[in-house]
Amino acid sequence: AQSVAQPEDQVNVAEGNPLTVKCTYSVSGNPYLFWYVQYPNRGLQFLLKYITGDNLVKGSYGFEAEFNKSQTSFHLKKPSALVSDSALYFCAVRNLMDSSYKLIFGSGTRLLVRP
Amino acid sequence: ETGVTQSPTHLIKTRGQQVTLRCSSQSGHNTVSWYQQALGQGPQFIFQYYREEENGRGNFPPRFSGLQFPNYSSELNVNALELDDSALYLCASSPADGGRATGANVLTFGAGSRLTVL
Repeated sequence: AQSVAQPEDQVNVAEGNPLTVKCTYSVSGNPYLFWYVQYPNRGLQFLLKYITGDNLVKGSYGFEAEFNKSQTSFHLKKPSALVSDSALYFCAVRNLMDSSYKLIFGSGTRLLVRP
Repeated sequence: ETGVTQSPTHLIKTRGQQVTLRCSSQSGHNTVSWYQQALGQGPQFIFQYYREEENGRGNFPPRFSGLQFPNYSSELNVNALELDDSALYLCASSPADGGRATGANVLTFGAGSRLTVL
């Protein structure tokens, strides 16, 4: 069965410090991996994706993520957190064998950046 | 270009009633999918429409149904509402590539319709 795990319900970090939001996945074959962010009363906003190629992908707002095939992980990172980064972050995977655009989401990690 | 718009933004229904949620896809997008996001959980895939036909479905009962119109807008219908149907319903659109996940097209999400079932 395909699944995504985000082991931390919440991550707390001080502004200016680096942040990491963890994600591991389980899917047969090669996955497409995504990170989305959700602000209150807003839909999901795309941050970045891994398709193929370099394991380090860069996305919007200074975020980046590292794909690690052996550990089946796709952790989201940012070198210097901003208070405005506080939001709910979702990791998602798409199975290339699926004929639809179905995304399987993790349960989300709430990021709190304190001033 | 306009993004994905959904209506209504909030609504309250009672058990057993029926509800219709509407979605206008982003310009140039011809594939629409719907997700249910219960409180404190990640979104769960309901189904996807391409060329006015359902071409993918998640683990939801038949009382969840949908439509896609020639202008690519879409409706989600839920019959015989249950308390557990209370959730944020998200619509997402994506560009055309034959409706198959052969590419890495990004889904563009609307802000959602929050349904409360009493």
